Amino acid sequence: NAGVTQTPKFRILKIGQSMTLQCTQDMNHNYMYWYRQDPGMGLKLIYYSVGAGITDKGEVPNGYNVSRSTTEDFPLRLELAAPSQTSVYFCASSYSTAGGPGEQYFGPGTRLTVT
Amino acid sequence: GEDVEQSLFLSVREGDSSVINCTYTDSSSTYLYWYKQEPGAGLQLLTYIFSNMDMKQDQRLTVLLNKKDKHLSLRIADTQTGDSAIYFCAETGDTGRRALTFGSGTRLQVQP
Repeated sequence: NAGVTQTPKFRILKIGQSMTLQCTQDMNHNYMYWYRQDPGMGLKLIYYSVGAGITDKGEVPNGYNVSRSTTEDFPLRLELAAPSQTSVYFCASSYSTAGGPGEQYFGPGTRLTVT
Repeated sequence: GEDVEQSLFLSVREGDSSVINCTYTDSSSTYLYWYKQEPGAGLQLLTYIFSNMDMKQDQRLTVLLNKKDKHLSLRIADTQTGDSAIYFCAETGDTGRRALTFGSGTRLQVQP
């Protein structure tokens, strides 16, 4: 198992550019998440998905979009990059049931700089 | 809304015990977690505790939960230089999204 993989590892964008951060998991997890981590801070939830075809907003969704067409993939789209989106982005997945949330497995992160 | 708070920094000498503290506000928290983040890396789950427990021990790690005061602590016995990292407290409530609410992290520095 590769676990949770993210691409790219690093990216520099100009203001107004667009990009997609890729996330794939091979553990057949139903739940997937996108978090951002600003310097010196904890992680904030951007979007999450409880299964293929179902997505919902987290705490800081503005400026982002997601889709979940398969169980494995959960890409995060930035349409018009802004300096405030400079951050490290982490994708995570878990197998959650009515019995409990399940352990969240994190990808290695994508470091994004918008200038 | 939910809030999780931690002190920013802790420095200990190698071989001593480290105690990292966390407070949370969500009384419906069901699971509480400790994650470790090394420089430039992702998050590694160290341990977690269910809200109906008050203590959990796992080798050098001891988690104490005071549910009345909404206080969680992580004790690392015989701290090593390899334990130097940022430690995040996180919680999840009994909501459908199962997402984690994180503290800002405590940077642990272990001096030889």
